[in-house]
Amino acid sequence: KAGVTQTPRYLIKTRGQQVTLSCSPISGHRSVSWYQQTPGQGLQFLFEYFSETQRNKGNFPGRFSGRQFSNSRSEMNVSTLELGDSALYLCASSLGPGTGHYEQYFGPGTRLTVT
Amino acid sequence: AQSVTQLDSQVPVFEEAPVELRCNYSSSVSVYLFWYVQYPNQGLQLLLKYLSGSTLVESINGFEAEFNKSQTSFHLRKPSVHISDTAEYFCAVTSGTYKYIFGTGTRLKVLA
Repeated sequence: KAGVTQTPRYLIKTRGQQVTLSCSPISGHRSVSWYQQTPGQGLQFLFEYFSETQRNKGNFPGRFSGRQFSNSRSEMNVSTLELGDSALYLCASSLGPGTGHYEQYFGPGTRLTVT
Repeated sequence: AQSVTQLDSQVPVFEEAPVELRCNYSSSVSVYLFWYVQYPNQGLQLLLKYLSGSTLVESINGFEAEFNKSQTSFHLRKPSVHISDTAEYFCAVTSGTYKYIFGTGTRLKVLA
């Protein structure tokens, strides 16, 4: 079974621009979560989607948004990029609530550099 | 609120020696616990999980962790490490959602 895929793997953007990152979960997984990883703040939860609905949200400004499609694929968008948004963005997939499975499987990440 | 503490930011150990990476958590409700490993320029790989049942959980590559509710700990151990175990290890906790709280990570450096 293929793992979680994320595209693109690397991205360089300029301050003020916006960016969209994509995530395809493991086949059969219906929940997708996003995390930001930086050397200073570590791994921080951004949001979680299930059945095209945002179920949980972390403590990030409104510039960070996401969505999930009917095939469980997810995208996250960051508008008006700031230098501090430079990070590794990780997507994780899981079977979904009510399954008794709370483990998540992570993709390789998208390395975003804002200049 | 939940929190996870990984006290050791770096742990150097010689090859074939035992290692313990410490993880303590704080939570007012029941928790599920995980250890993930991250190799350079890669995502996180699930190493092992505690959901319920036996408090001692093992991975296929020789790691084990024991859930200790009274000490609120979930330390990771391996009796004999290999060079290939060099990586960063993250402990995570959740109370039943997919919103994980991660520790700050421990860099394991295995020396020849």
